[in-house]
Amino acid sequence: AQTVTQSQPEMSVQEAETVTLSCTYDTSESNYYLFWYKQPPSRQMILVIRQEAYKQQNATENRFSVNFQKAAKSFSLKISDSQLGDTAMYFCAFMPLYGGATNKLIFGTGTLLAVQP
Amino acid sequence: DTEVTQTPKHLVMGMTNKKSLKCEQHMGHRAMYWYKQKAKKPPELMFVYSYEKLSINESVPSRFSPECPNSSLLNLHLHALQPEDSALYLCASSQGDRYGGYTFGSGTRLTVV
Repeated sequence: AQTVTQSQPEMSVQEAETVTLSCTYDTSESNYYLFWYKQPPSRQMILVIRQEAYKQQNATENRFSVNFQKAAKSFSLKISDSQLGDTAMYFCAFMPLYGGATNKLIFGTGTLLAVQP
Repeated sequence: DTEVTQTPKHLVMGMTNKKSLKCEQHMGHRAMYWYKQKAKKPPELMFVYSYEKLSINESVPSRFSPECPNSSLLNLHLHALQPEDSALYLCASSQGDRYGGYTFGSGTRLTVV
């Protein structure tokens, strides 16, 4: 069974600084997706970034980038130039590549990030 | 249209009431999902519909009854709920193919009194 672990329940960062959120996972699959989702107080789960396991290059989306270490089964999220709007719960998630619609999105327990002014 | 729309946003119901949650998407996604989320916890999968057919039921109590009338709509019918069923109910959709990734709605905050 696949599991996703986020070891930092809460984190705080000053505005404009950089913060890194950790995520590790366990799977016997060789092909899969990894995601970071953001859930602000508005409740909507928003996709921040996606990484395909077969791609060695780390994904980036503007101020958000990941450090994907497949052998170590590690998938951390780096937020640069933190903004107040980045305050949210961040969930790391795993999905096997094959299986179509019945693929389950497996979530970690989340990291609550607070950006301080 | 790149959204998943959920209604209502808030719902308060008694334990003897019958109510329904509605979810709609017009992205042509063939898979739709219901999740339950308690405060400060990750979402928990309840049901998966693929091509309008129920493909996964995560052993959800029968007081929750899903329905997929067409490829754009997903309902969750609620009856005789318990206070512990109070939670945020999230709907999501996906292409259901190798590209992965879900689009989530903003949820219905349900309170059972």
